[in-house]
Amino acid sequence: SQQGEEDPQALSIQEGENATMNCSYKTSINNLQWYRQNSGRGLVHLILIRSNEREKHSGRLRVTLDTSKKSSSLLITASRAADTASYFCATGSGGADGLTFGKGTHLIIQP
Amino acid sequence: EADIYQTPRYLVIGTGKKITLECSQTMGHDKMYWYQQDPGMELHLIHYSYGVNSTEKGDLSSESTVSRIRTEHFPLTLESARPSHTSQYLCASSGDSWSEAFFGQGTRLTVV
Repeated sequence: SQQGEEDPQALSIQEGENATMNCSYKTSINNLQWYRQNSGRGLVHLILIRSNEREKHSGRLRVTLDTSKKSSSLLITASRAADTASYFCATGSGGADGLTFGKGTHLIIQP
Repeated sequence: EADIYQTPRYLVIGTGKKITLECSQTMGHDKMYWYQQDPGMELHLIHYSYGVNSTEKGDLSSESTVSRIRTEHFPLTLESARPSHTSQYLCASSGDSWSEAFFGQGTRLTVV
């Protein structure tokens, strides 16, 4: 069953601007992860935030987690053309069947 | 670069043929997964494995089957391919059920 739901479904911004994507989920989680997928390729792990964390940074990425609202956001600062990709949130509940992915946000960075 | 490999990358095959999609990882991960993804859409879990000789069906019903005879190898088989099987198939592995997953590059299957 689908757990994460990203918003917006698509986002187009100018290079250099910041991009923000949101994810909402339904059940309790152990952690929430963000992945990037370039067109027609596999997914690449970006960042993991645990349920007892509220914010995490990695380079130009900033992730927040609000477990009371069951939501997370991914901020990409100073976007680059190479950031054009689809971004998925995935939740891990600790169950044996691994991660559950949302539908993704398709991000386009205009040069 | 993740040490998980899928072959072939692209496959065009006729209806009724039997096919096997290969997935191998060299990280010693116990957990392995197969996801199905249509273009621009979400990932659907179709099979997963806890370890050798363990296989389970995922959320999305699939006519494919899997096996896990060795830790590093998790092949997916379609006994009789149909056009409805046309999709991208992604293999992944992880050390734990809730930790980072490593993905292969995917196999894009087209059944004509």
